[in-house]
Amino acid sequence: DQQVKQNSPSLSVQEGRISILNCDYTNSMFDYFLWYKKYPAEGPTFLISISSIKDKNEDGRFTVFLNKSAKHLSLHIVPSQPGDSAVYFCAASAFSGNTGKLIFGQGTTLQVKP
Amino acid sequence: DAGVIQSPRHEVTEMGQEVTLRCKPISGHDYLFWYRQTMMRGLELLIYFNNNVPIDDSGMPEDRFSAKMPNASFSTLKIQPSEPRDSAVYFCASSPRASGKVTDTQYFGPGTRLTVL
Repeated sequence: DQQVKQNSPSLSVQEGRISILNCDYTNSMFDYFLWYKKYPAEGPTFLISISSIKDKNEDGRFTVFLNKSAKHLSLHIVPSQPGDSAVYFCAASAFSGNTGKLIFGQGTTLQVKP
Repeated sequence: DAGVIQSPRHEVTEMGQEVTLRCKPISGHDYLFWYRQTMMRGLELLIYFNNNVPIDDSGMPEDRFSAKMPNASFSTLKIQPSEPRDSAVYFCASSPRASGKVTDTQYFGPGTRLTVL
C-alpha cells in the first residue's frame, strides 16, 4: 500500500529543456514534502522541500509545486543539465516533519541527454 | 565530517545465513533510520531510533529482521535467517533534532548491497 507514488519510473529530456517529475500521495496527514536525489552507488541526498502552507518553493533551477487538493506535487528542473541525471525520490512526512519519519516513493530515473 | 558510515558495502551470503549490517551515524545526530531500497517499492523505512530508542518499527517486514542501537554512535540491522527476497540495498540515515522548526533532512550513508543466494 504505497502512500507516496511516483508513477513514472523514468524520464528522458534534452539538455536545456525543462524536466518535470511528478508525485502523488494518499495520506491527508502529510504536511511536509521533500525531494531527494540519488546517484549510483551513493545514498540519496536532500534536494528541496515544501511545507503544506505553501504551494511553491524555489531553489535555483529547482522548483517544487504542491497541489493539496489533488494530493500532488511536482519537481521542475529548468534548465536541465546532464549532471542532473539521477534517481529522484519524492518523500512525505506528517506533523510538519518533526517526528523525523519520511515515507518515500519508488523513485523516477531522470536522464538528461547532451 | 565523515558522514554516515555503513559496513560492509557489499554482502553476498547464502539463504539461511545470518547477516549483520552496521551503521555509524553522524556525530550529534539524534535520529537514526534504516531503509531498504528495491526496484518495486523504492525506499522503505524499516525502523527509526530517537536518542537510541526505537520509535517506530512498523516497517520491519518480519521477525527475521531486528535492529539495535546500543549507543549514539552505532547501530546494527540483523537478518536471521536470510532469504533471497531480502536481496536489496540497505541504507542507514541520520538526522539532527528538529529544533523548533521543520528540519528533518536526513543524511544517508552509501548503503549496503545485500545479495542472498
